[in-house]
Amino acid sequence: DAKTTQPNSMESNEEEPVHLPCNHSTISGTDYIHWYRQLPSQGPEYVIHGLTSNVNNRMASLAIAEDRKSSTLILHRATLRDAAVYYCILRERSGGAGSYQLTFGKGTKLSVIP
Amino acid sequence: GAGVSQSPSNKVTEKGKDVELRCDPISGHTALYWYRQSLGQGLEFLIYFQGNSAPDKSGLPSDRFSAERTGGSVSTLTIQRTQQEDSAVYLCASSTGQGASEQYFGPGTRLTVT
Repeated sequence: DAKTTQPNSMESNEEEPVHLPCNHSTISGTDYIHWYRQLPSQGPEYVIHGLTSNVNNRMASLAIAEDRKSSTLILHRATLRDAAVYYCILRERSGGAGSYQLTFGKGTKLSVIP
Repeated sequence: GAGVSQSPSNKVTEKGKDVELRCDPISGHTALYWYRQSLGQGLEFLIYFQGNSAPDKSGLPSDRFSAERTGGSVSTLTIQRTQQEDSAVYLCASSTGQGASEQYFGPGTRLTVT
């Protein structure tokens, strides 16, 4: 999987929006952009994924740059329960013979201030 | 519905002993992954199962590590002659198929080798 770069940590005030950036300048045309998060003492949890168009779901929004070399995970109103490590991961489009394991980097540790 | 479950949640063992870690994936999920997370580190892929076969064992760190999956469901990860560097949280994840987007993680087994 291609490499991603994220800030080590970010802070947000409760009830405010949070924009978590991810750079992936070597992304290939077949890579999906996935986001997972890991709350303290828990296993990772899927958040959202996309290919080219912006995506929205109940948890978050994903904004993908036109050249796909960067993306931003948007939490519209941060809550204390959103405090976690957020991982941006590139995965090949399905259809190949690979195992599609997730390659986790260091992620961004998000702190939410009450 | 029931998620991925793992047992035991915590395991303390003496150096040199063998341990078995168990994973119960979500019913119907054909793909199963094992990862481990050492203190302060990111998640590291260990092995992937599709059904009962393991086409990707590339992440197993040594021949002391082995895993099996029976009946396309439960999987056990066995570590023989444990070493202190094996101390970590061992996470299991399952998904609906080889190229499925979401992996669902269990809570992990925290292994401590003394």
